[in-house]
Amino acid sequence: DVKVTQSSRYLVKRTGEKVFLECVQDMDHENMFWYRQDPGLGLRLIYFSYDVKMKEKGDIPEGYSVSREKKERFSLILESASTNQTSMYLCASSFPRAEAFFGQGTRLTVV
Amino acid sequence: GQSLEQPSEVTAVEGAIVQINCTYQTSGFYGLSWYQQHDGGAPTFLSYNALDGLEETGRFSSFLSRSDSYGYLLLQELQMKDSASYFCAVAKAAGNKLTFGGGTRVLVKP
Repeated sequence: DVKVTQSSRYLVKRTGEKVFLECVQDMDHENMFWYRQDPGLGLRLIYFSYDVKMKEKGDIPEGYSVSREKKERFSLILESASTNQTSMYLCASSFPRAEAFFGQGTRLTVV
Repeated sequence: GQSLEQPSEVTAVEGAIVQINCTYQTSGFYGLSWYQQHDGGAPTFLSYNALDGLEETGRFSSFLSRSDSYGYLLLQELQMKDSASYFCAVAKAAGNKLTFGGGTRVLVKP
């Protein structure tokens, strides 16, 4: 079974903190994605990566950065967390033009 | 820019048929996917259409018309367990970038 694992299910951070969300996949997928999900807004793409060290901005990259040093791992970084970044964060991976597999999500609360 | 439009909510009874429409505006279109997400769960893949026409997978079917920038997901013989949110998603940029619509919440009543 394909497994996409996110490091935390729940996270509470303070405003201004640097936050790292980690995602690991075990299927040798080229593509990895970070989305945030908010009620009524669906899944919005923050960043995606199509190879090691390669990344592209999604629709809402402001306030976020990413790192992909190894094929299996894709990290989302909030440089200085703000309350409007309180959300559910979902990581996914896929081969190109194939189904995406999602992790269970990290519910981040910034206080 | 790009956008995907789908209805926000649909209610139906067990055994009924529901059609969820999705219209999109995007450049570099490669295909249209559908995902299901139960409350508290992760989205899971249902279907993918790269070419025009109907794809059938059990009780669920998906349709694509590239010329109309339109697709739909058809849920037949609705069951209570089909109560979930359904998302259409566009694959673009050589199939690497996957962008989702806002989701349609389907509520199945007895």
